[in-house]
Amino acid sequence: NAGVTQTPKFQVLKTGQSMTLQCAQDMNHEYMSWYRQDPGMGLRLIHYSVGAGITDQGEVPNGYNVSRSTTEDFPLRLLSAAPSQTSVYFCASSAYPGGRSEQYFGPGTRLTVT
Amino acid sequence: AQKVTQAQTEISVVEKEDVTLDCVYETRDTTYYLFWYKQPPSGELVFLIRRNSFDEQNEISGRYSWNFQKSTSSFNFTITASQVVDSAVYFCALSEAGGTSYGKLTFGQGTILTVHP
Repeated sequence: NAGVTQTPKFQVLKTGQSMTLQCAQDMNHEYMSWYRQDPGMGLRLIHYSVGAGITDQGEVPNGYNVSRSTTEDFPLRLLSAAPSQTSVYFCASSAYPGGRSEQYFGPGTRLTVT
Repeated sequence: AQKVTQAQTEISVVEKEDVTLDCVYETRDTTYYLFWYKQPPSGELVFLIRRNSFDEQNEISGRYSWNFQKSTSSFNFTITASQVVDSAVYFCALSEAGGTSYGKLTFGQGTILTVHP
């Protein structure tokens, strides 16, 4: 049981490049989400999904795209990377919404945009 | 809108001291959940506790204890007899359960705890 996995662990992009951050979970959780962590700001929600085929925007969605074709996977796409997207990205999953169960976090992806 | 405030940006203590990390929250929901997470230097987020708004009992787990007070909208975390391994960033978070809310976690800014030997 691997829990929540994220790849890559580190990535450096040039401004304007695109890439996909991968997230997978093997706990059969319906609820998955992406957060970014910036110094002094805690974690902020980017996008979330309540099940395969259903996604919605969080607090800071601009510049990011998501899709959820399977229960297990929830990739985050950066369409045209900008230096403001330099951050640590965390994927999370949970069995229930609304805090009714623990959110399990992946190990994070550290992204630098130059 | 929900909000979590961790007013202590950094705390520095010497080993074996007790330390309390403050967390104050705002929400209009009557049903909500509060969390504490630990982020050690390795970077992962470690779940510590989840508490729902109807359960105001304090909780103790080893050297860790939590004091939930709805009257002051606070959910403070105390480490007794701190150890160097407790050095980490600690996050308090809130999730509303009502209405159409997905129940996203709203995090505080985090408190950096450094425990010196």
